[in-house]
Amino acid sequence: SQQGEEDPQALSIQEGENATMNCSYKTSINNLQWYRQNSGRGLVHLILIRSNEREKHSGRLRVTLDTSKKSSSLLITASRAADTASYFCATVLRRGSNYKLTFGKGTLLTVNP
Amino acid sequence: EAGVTQFPSHSVIEKGQTVTLRCDPISGHDNLYWYRRVMGKEIKFLLHFVKESKQDESGMPNNRFLAERTGGTYSTLKVQPAELEDSGVYFCASSSRGQNTEAFFGQGTRLTVV
Repeated sequence: SQQGEEDPQALSIQEGENATMNCSYKTSINNLQWYRQNSGRGLVHLILIRSNEREKHSGRLRVTLDTSKKSSSLLITASRAADTASYFCATVLRRGSNYKLTFGKGTLLTVNP
Repeated sequence: EAGVTQFPSHSVIEKGQTVTLRCDPISGHDNLYWYRRVMGKEIKFLLHFVKESKQDESGMPNNRFLAERTGGTYSTLKVQPAELEDSGVYFCASSSRGQNTEAFFGQGTRLTVV
């Protein structure tokens, strides 16, 4: 079964620096999504990139998708302490009417003030 | 508009007891998903409803887990009897139709089996 694998597992940076997280997956997808989970809270959707898109921006977030390499990256620019959270990529593959989100293990990002 | 709500937020039960988790999706969302995260590991898919029908239940661990979605509205996930390894955070998510739509997650239910 396909699965997003985030890299690195943990990342610690200083406020103001950029943070880059990578995600690899195994099979074809319809789209790839990034989510954030703050400690003890639910998952918050950040951005969705379709399989025919290569790059997408949302505020301080930039996501790239390389379907030939089956990989994606999430860049957070000018990081803030409030960005401290776990970040997950999730792939969506459609089979008939079934759209299943499959998550990776996540990257724990710590932004030090 | 209300988001996805889950109840309870926390539950501590003894091994062998029964627990029922509830999820109220966003109104009008046909797709409802259950996921589980165990002790900092990956978020694992449990099952997917389209309206009241189980579209995919390949992630359900065993027959101690029973999920229902009455009338295509709220869903329940019952664990009976609970085992220690069932501890974790159970997330529910809902989405509207279409493949390129985001899923909205609830805050999760933290289940601890002692």
